[in-house]
Amino acid sequence: EAQVTQNPRYLITVTGKKLTVTCSQNMNHEYMSWYRQDPGLGLRQIYYSMNVEVTDKGDVPEGYKVSRKEKRNFPLILESPSPNQTSLYFCASRRLAGDNTGELFFGEGSRLTVL
Amino acid sequence: AQSVTQLGSHVSVSEGALVLLRCNYSSSVPPYLFWYVQYPNQGLQLLLKYTSAATLVKGINGFEAEFKKSETSFHLTKPSAHMSDAAEYFCAVSEGQAGTALIFGKGTTLSVSS
Repeated sequence: EAQVTQNPRYLITVTGKKLTVTCSQNMNHEYMSWYRQDPGLGLRQIYYSMNVEVTDKGDVPEGYKVSRKEKRNFPLILESPSPNQTSLYFCASRRLAGDNTGELFFGEGSRLTVL
Repeated sequence: AQSVTQLGSHVSVSEGALVLLRCNYSSSVPPYLFWYVQYPNQGLQLLLKYTSAATLVKGINGFEAEFKKSETSFHLTKPSAHMSDAAEYFCAVSEGQAGTALIFGKGTTLSVSS
């Protein structure tokens, strides 16, 4: 089954404790992206990657890091989480070659609470 | 720069009534437009998409949307609401392959009462 898998789905942590949210897709998509969803703000892009070893900032990258060492994986790293990073996070992917619509496929989401 | 405006953060309808969720966009290039639905505690699922073919697009679960270039709109409709349609709906715009992001609206929560 074609899917985007995120882990963990739920996490409660404390300020300053480094954490990583993993994302993996099995569709051989070139493009991957992280969004955060906050009430009243919709989804905002954090980082994206057009291919292996190619990453770039989205609209709200502060406090986050990413890496793309393999095509299928795109982890989101919070080096020193703060309460304002409490949010619902979505990983998404899409094809680039042969697809000109930009349709994204989403993971189930990771709800993060930083105390 | 692209942007999306969804008019109305909350829409309430009765079961069987018409559903109309409004979306206006701005884009400097011919846009690709999407509606996604998010059920409680779930990810985003594609409802339908406009990719410059037919202006009236049919999606899943009886939803459809019409692309109106003159009005820069892409409103989502369903003739008869069902209780299971209660969810949050997001309109999004893309520049297609050239774009580096889907730009989302802030979402509209649809409530359906019996």
